Amino acid sequence: DTGVSQDPRHKITKRGQNVTFRCDPISEHNRLYWYRQTLGQGPEFLTYFQNEAQLEKSRLLSDRFSAERPKGSFSTLEIQRTEQGDSAMYLCASQGGPYSYNEQFFGPGTRLTVL
Amino acid sequence: QKEVEQNSGPLSVPEGAIASLNCTYSDRVSQSFFWYRQYSGKSPELIMSIYSNGDKEDGRFTAQLNKASQYVSLLIRDSQPSDSATYLCAVNPYGGATNKLIFGTGTLLAVQP
Repeated sequence: DTGVSQDPRHKITKRGQNVTFRCDPISEHNRLYWYRQTLGQGPEFLTYFQNEAQLEKSRLLSDRFSAERPKGSFSTLEIQRTEQGDSAMYLCASQGGPYSYNEQFFGPGTRLTVL
Repeated sequence: QKEVEQNSGPLSVPEGAIASLNCTYSDRVSQSFFWYRQYSGKSPELIMSIYSNGDKEDGRFTAQLNKASQYVSLLIRDSQPSDSATYLCAVNPYGGATNKLIFGTGTLLAVQP
């Protein structure tokens, strides 16, 4: 257990519905990342926060995706009007502790299935 | 050319042998390199980080970095069946101008008892 938590762990939804995922990073970490992973691929970067500021967003990220980190603590990732191609594992990673500045630690992930 | 390339495997080694996993990257100014282990259905687990040329050892794991050849490897000594997993190589590219990681597709390691 890295100390990063994600909720829910699994989500099944119908095409066209909106879904929201939550990530709670390690408490002293100021950087938070979202990645997406599909079968047989490595994680793909989606977006990144330092404290509450969203500093980078993948050019591949559809406008249907939005992320927030309102108080610099937990973060949410929302997908609007889900499509079957959104089915994937959504991973949150935490970074920024005093002894592991560059290292990113992943949560357990949220597995999304869009029917 | 992919930014981070790994042989997808499977790499099969007998128990007790040394497993050697390789990774090449395209961005010459990459600064930070990481190895993650991922069991089936689970999230990636960080096992090694390396920032300077040469070797870095941690228990049964040794990471090797050669920036001139744009090559990073992971050696697992005394391989155990519990080491059977997908090993992901990750690179922080662009000389630190971004904090994101670029991952390879992973190498599946199978340790035979």
